[in-house]
Amino acid sequence: NAGVMQNPRHLVRRRGQEARLRCSPMKGHSHVYWYRQLPEEGLKFMVYLQKENIIDESGMPKERFSAEFPKEGPSILRIQQVVRGDSAAYFCASSPSPDYSNQPQHFGDGTRLSIL
Amino acid sequence: AQSVSQHNHHVILSEAASLELGCNYSYGGTVNLFWYVQYPGQHLQLLLKYFSGDPLVKGIKGFEAEFIKSKFSFNLRKPSVQWSDTAEYFCAVNADFGNEKLTFGTGTRLTIIP
Repeated sequence: NAGVMQNPRHLVRRRGQEARLRCSPMKGHSHVYWYRQLPEEGLKFMVYLQKENIIDESGMPKERFSAEFPKEGPSILRIQQVVRGDSAAYFCASSPSPDYSNQPQHFGDGTRLSIL
Repeated sequence: AQSVSQHNHHVILSEAASLELGCNYSYGGTVNLFWYVQYPGQHLQLLLKYFSGDPLVKGIKGFEAEFIKSKFSFNLRKPSVQWSDTAEYFCAVNADFGNEKLTFGTGTRLTIIP
């Protein structure tokens, strides 16, 4: 286990409901990244957050999706009014800082979201 | 924006065969390069990374990769594969320093036949 905790592992929602995905980074990590993996595709970057700040949300759909990383507690990826196309695996990764010289991201087990 | 291409979508090999998975990226500047492996139902695990220095990088489980700047490539190799290497392999690049977001290839599914 890489130490990044995501829950739930599996989430089933009906169209129109809300989905909340949680990510607790590794101990000592203050940077969180969310990625989405559609079937038969690679991971696509969605959003990069630090505590209480969204640094880069260039990969987030403009509507229905939001993310936060509060001062206390896990990072939350929220999807409102879910549609079938939101079915995917959502992965969270964390790192201690953007010191790219020696700090790769560590990934969680992912949340598999299924929309009925 | 950078992009990553993995041309082999599904590779099937017998145990003890040699492996090379292709990875090409498009970005003209300095990059950091990664290979991740995803075993069925599990999270991504880092196999190896290249930031600078020796272009031949050794990773875990006997894997290595060679960064060839002139070819914009970072191919993954292993001289003798095992059944336990069956997994999905992702190449990734980061070229936005100060922001570690990764751009991934579409992945290569590797199946090893005992």
